[in-house]
Amino acid sequence: EAQVTQNPRYLITVTGKKLTVTCSQNMNHEYMSWYRQDPGLGLRQIYYSMNVEVTDKGDVPEGYKVSRKEKRNFPLILESPSPNQTSLYFCASSLRGTANYGYTFGSGTRLTVV
Amino acid sequence: QQQVKQSPQSLIVQKGGIPIINCAYENTAFDYFPWYQQFPGKGPALLIAIRPDVSEKKEGRFTISFNKSAKQFSLHIMDSQPGDSATYFCAASGRFQKLVFGTGTRLLVSP
Repeated sequence: EAQVTQNPRYLITVTGKKLTVTCSQNMNHEYMSWYRQDPGLGLRQIYYSMNVEVTDKGDVPEGYKVSRKEKRNFPLILESPSPNQTSLYFCASSLRGTANYGYTFGSGTRLTVV
Repeated sequence: QQQVKQSPQSLIVQKGGIPIINCAYENTAFDYFPWYQQFPGKGPALLIAIRPDVSEKKEGRFTISFNKSAKQFSLHIMDSQPGDSATYFCAASGRFQKLVFGTGTRLLVSP
């Protein structure tokens, strides 16, 4: 089944404790992206990647890091999480490097930072 | 800066009604306008999309109406059902431009 897999689904952590949210797709998509979803703000892009070893900042990159060493994986790293990073996170992928192809989203990771 | 403005924030209709969700954009370089549907606990899923060379697109009970001169587009759900209750996001993108999302509309279809 073609899908984007995120782990974990739920995560509660403490301020300052480094964490990684994994994302993997099995569709050989070039483009991958991370979004956070907050009430009243919709989906805001954190980082995106056009292909292996090519990443760039989205609209809200502060406090996040990413890497794209393999085509299928695009982990999101929070080096020192803070309570304002409490949110619902989605990884998405798309066939080509433009958004004119439909995005496939993962099921989300609900992160709480206390 | 919000590049796609979506309204209303929430909407309640009775079964069989026709909810309408509206979006407006500013960037005239946008040429792809998708709608995503999100159920609780799930990621958004592509529902229907339109390009500006047509004014309307239908897929089943879902219709996008597009007004290029007004820079507006809307989603209509015909004969709405309780199973359509979800959050709907409009979005827009253009060549070499990333997809930007509206703020979402929470739809509740009452039985």
